Amino acid sequence: QKEVEQDPGPLSVPEGAIVSLNCTYSNSAFQYFMWYRQYSRKGPELLMYTYSSGNKEDGRFTAQVDKSSKYISLFIRDSQPSDSATYLCVRYGETSGSRLTFGEGTQLTVNP
Amino acid sequence: DTGVSQDPRHKITKRGQNVTFRCDPISEHNRLYWYRQTLGQGPEFLTYFQNEAQLEKSRLLSDRFSAERPKGSFSTLEIQRTEQGDSAMYLCASTLGPSTDTQYFGPGTRLTVL
Repeated sequence: QKEVEQDPGPLSVPEGAIVSLNCTYSNSAFQYFMWYRQYSRKGPELLMYTYSSGNKEDGRFTAQVDKSSKYISLFIRDSQPSDSATYLCVRYGETSGSRLTFGEGTQLTVNP
Repeated sequence: DTGVSQDPRHKITKRGQNVTFRCDPISEHNRLYWYRQTLGQGPEFLTYFQNEAQLEKSRLLSDRFSAERPKGSFSTLEIQRTEQGDSAMYLCASTLGPSTDTQYFGPGTRLTVL
């Protein structure tokens, strides 16, 4: 079983929509998670990180971890065309050399 | 621009040839990671360095792959006797240290093996 699994989409929404991106993870011992964003032909860039359960908000972005169901979510409010990218949910391996384990990525297109 | 650079950005080679990629991390960063990303997939960990020491290698890294980081600065990733299955984006990332969670990625080297 993969450590992190993500619906690859693609997902297409109109500008201004609320976007929900979701992942599941395999091991309830995992504690640190991240969301990376990757624009076409670029390397991934860190968007947000979260620890264990709960919500974290940063501007239009909210990251949520539900430890009981091993579910990770990223919500984007008032989505913009500039949000069009691939979003990668990531497990941060604090006990495995700080390596990152990525989901497959969800390709998002926000249409003007 | 994250400050991590990779060279070349694109490489086309014929099966059986050797290729070498270079990564220049952010100057004060001690840790350097290599990942491989195939089309439609997320990056997969290959190996990482703490300064000049290679501390871990993924089982994805076959004997044809070798990575170095002399003097703890730039790093090279060499693939010998390339195969079509090696076609992918090779990404380098760096971070300040083990307790720092942000890895800064370079733009990647896209390898196409014909």
